[in-house]
Order: sequence, then structure tokens, then C-alpha cells
Amino acid sequence: AQSVTQPDIHITVSEGASLELRCNYSYGATPYLFWYVQSPGQGLQLLLKYFSGDTLVQGIKGFEAEFKRSQSSFNLRKPSVHWSDAAEYFCAVGTTSGTYKYIFGTGTRLKVLA
Amino acid sequence: EAGVAQSPRYKIIEKRQSVAFWCNPISGHATLYWYQQILGQGPKLLIQFQNNGVVDDSQLPKDRFSAERLKGVDSTLKIQPAKLEDSAVYLCASSLGLSETETQYFGPGTRLLVL
Repeated sequence: AQSVTQPDIHITVSEGASLELRCNYSYGATPYLFWYVQSPGQGLQLLLKYFSGDTLVQGIKGFEAEFKRSQSSFNLRKPSVHWSDAAEYFCAVGTTSGTYKYIFGTGTRLKVLA
Repeated sequence: EAGVAQSPRYKIIEKRQSVAFWCNPISGHATLYWYQQILGQGPKLLIQFQNNGVVDDSQLPKDRFSAERLKGVDSTLKIQPAKLEDSAVYLCASSLGLSETETQYFGPGTRLLVL
């Protein structure tokens, strides 16, 4: 069955430090992969997506993610975190089993220290 | 371009009461989704519409949950009667179509507390 694992429930980094959020997926075919961010009281905003091609994907707000098929991973990175990046981050895989739908991970809550 | 609109933003009810949520998707988006997001978990798809037809409702608890999208635009999600475990954020999302490459755009959600 398709699934998404985000191993880190909480991550704390200092402002200006680099960030990497982990995402592992289980999916038999070529995955469609997404990272969304959810600020408190807000809906989910798309940061970036991978469908095919270049395995390093650039997104909004200075985020990037790298698709590694051999590791079944799609980790999100940012070279320098800003206080406004504090939020919850969700990785999702688009699955075509039956109808097309997203399966989300459980999320990683990011705290940024000033 | 206006985003996905949802109302109300917050709702508190007692168990066994009924409640309804409303969603207005982005103009022109044929596909509409309702998700349930329980605290500490990722969103879980409840039901998916293509225009006014149901595409997938396999995870909708049909004994108490219902949803409709009568004219292929707005949608309502109803819970009757509510249980304590229904406390969650209900997210509505829309996309242009059902293609794997379509991006889903999410509304701000309705936060439901069942006492």
C-alpha cells in the first residue's frame, strides 16, 4: 500500500541555520511528490512538486527538494531558515491506485529560534 | 485569483448534534476534495467530486457523514450526529481536473470541536 513517512515530528533550528526535513514514500510506480506548508490557522500551501525530470526541484520561499529513487526519499531543504518559516510541513504522494488522490505524511512541526 | 473559501472557520457543538460546512472552490476547478485533519496527523481524504459527481468516497463514514456538490461548484459537508472523535479540521481543496499533475489548492479549513 502507498504510504508517506515523515520520521521527525518536531524539529528546532536557529534562525539562519540550514534545514532538512525528511520524507520517505512507499509507492510502486513513478511517484508524484509534493511538499506543503501549513501555518497556524491556515490551509495548506504548495511549496514545490516533483513529477519527472530533474530530481532537484526548486520551490517558493527559497525551498528545494531532491528526489532520490534509490532511497525512496524526497527531502525538503532550505539553506538559511527565517523565523517566518516556523510552521508544519507535510509531504504527500499522488497515487493513481483507483482514483487519483494524495496521501499525506503526518507532518513535521518546525520551530525557529531567534 | 480568489482562493478556496470555507465557512465557518470555527464551530463548537455537542455530541449528537449536527453540523454543516461549506466550500467554494477556485473558479473553473472541476475537482473538489474534502479532507479531515485530526490533530497530529496529516489530512485524510474523505470524498472527492468531479463536477457534481462523486469520484471517491471510500473513506467517508457514510452512517454519519454526507456531502454534496449539486451544481458542480459549491459543496457542503454534513455530520449528523457528531461524535467526539469527529473533532478535527475539515479542509476543502480544489484542482482543475483529475490528472496526476494537477495541483490541489487548499482552503483555510473549518476547525470543529465536539464536546
